[in-house]
Amino acid sequence: SYVLTQPPSVSVAPGQTARITCGGNNIGSKSVHWYQQKPGQAPVLVVYDDSDRPSGIPERFSGSNSGNTATLTISRVEAGDEADYYCQVWDSSSDHGVFGGGTKLTVL
Amino acid sequence: QVQLQESGPGLVKPSETLSLTCAVSGYSISSGYYWGWIRQPPGKGLEWIGSIYHSGSTYYNPSLKSRVTISVDTSKNQFSLKLSSVTAADTAVYYCARHREIGGVAGTIYYYMDVWGKGTTVTVSS
Repeated sequence: SYVLTQPPSVSVAPGQTARITCGGNNIGSKSVHWYQQKPGQAPVLVVYDDSDRPSGIPERFSGSNSGNTATLTISRVEAGDEADYYCQVWDSSSDHGVFGGGTKLTVL
Repeated sequence: QVQLQESGPGLVKPSETLSLTCAVSGYSISSGYYWGWIRQPPGKGLEWIGSIYHSGSTYYNPSLKSRVTISVDTSKNQFSLKLSSVTAADTAVYYCARHREIGGVAGTIYYYMDVWGKGTTVTVSS
């Protein structure tokens, strides 16, 4: 089964740039999606298909994907961005969804 | 505006079957998309369970496939999850979500979840 690896935590000061990685074997050949989850709330899609943003998601959220690593980048980080972030792909070899373990973003 | 709402018992006994329903409003399931379930054990990450199309076509997580059944009722615009032989490890918040598709190379299709329900907590305990 396909495995996605995320760092457990990332810390950043307000106004700085946060980068959250998602590692997987040749993940660059897949379509990667990112979700934000705040405590007690359902996940919210923030980036889909590597780098596209759903309507209503600030331009500060962007994504990239190449080789064995996909990255969610949050520019000009705000206190309200503090949350858990999950990457997700579809494992087409066995037709099922796969999530990374999640990364807790702390805004210092 | 599409909305999803999970419902079902909050407490299930070990070895019994967990049953949940997701009611969809603002969109007709018969119009398309896959619809599915994701769960999150307390303090842990997300786990994809499975999804279904209005025709009845399904995808399941291989790790849960032997215990999972997802069904759809287009007349009620809802879909359901059954998870059999539950144990304490099945205690989690269960979310339903709409699955959008993206076409990849060589006809490959990928799915992501663009609309989520608020989730419902299910505890497995005697």
